[in-house]
Amino acid sequence: KAGVTQTPRYLIKTRGQQVTLSCSPISGHRSVSWYQQTPGQGLQFLFEYFSETQRNKGNFPGRFSGRQFSNSRSEMNVSTLELGDSALYLCASSLSGVYTFGSGTRLTVV
Amino acid sequence: EDQVTQSPEALRLQEGESSSLNCSYTVSGLRGLFWYRQDPGKGPEFLFTLYSAGEEKEKERLKATLTKKESFLHITAPKPEDSATYLCAVQQTGANNLFFGTGTRLTVIP
Repeated sequence: KAGVTQTPRYLIKTRGQQVTLSCSPISGHRSVSWYQQTPGQGLQFLFEYFSETQRNKGNFPGRFSGRQFSNSRSEMNVSTLELGDSALYLCASSLSGVYTFGSGTRLTVV
Repeated sequence: EDQVTQSPEALRLQEGESSSLNCSYTVSGLRGLFWYRQDPGKGPEFLFTLYSAGEEKEKERLKATLTKKESFLHITAPKPEDSATYLCAVQQTGANNLFFGTGTRLTVIP
């Protein structure tokens, strides 16, 4: 059974640009969560979607946004990129309380 | 506010040398405590979920236990392939996200 798929795997962007990351959950999973992982802060929760509705949001600025489509695929967008946004962005899909993570998108802001 | 503290930050073991990793947590109502393993450049891989004090779960050389204030991940006779970062996370009652500790980086030397 296919796991959680995140694309692209790597991205390099310039400060001030915006970026969109994609996540395809495991088939049948309707909940998708996004996390930011940095060496200093570890994994921090960004937001969670269920059936196209954002149910929960972490403590990140409004430059970070997301959405979920009717097929449960999700995207997150970061606008006006800053150097500090360089991180591994992880998506997790869940069913019955078990969270399965994708391999992440490594974003580098230069 | 939720808090998860993992210790030690890093641990080096000889192959076959058993040890334990600690996860201390503070949460107002525990829905579940999760253990994940993360290899470099990859997303976290689910190991266990524990729901109530006294619960124990085992998988190969790993055994996780839970009390009201902490969880332990016991590694028996580790092998080099057990080298990874082990992450602990809590989920608060009614929440749809995980709150992570910063992990323990385990190195098993042949």
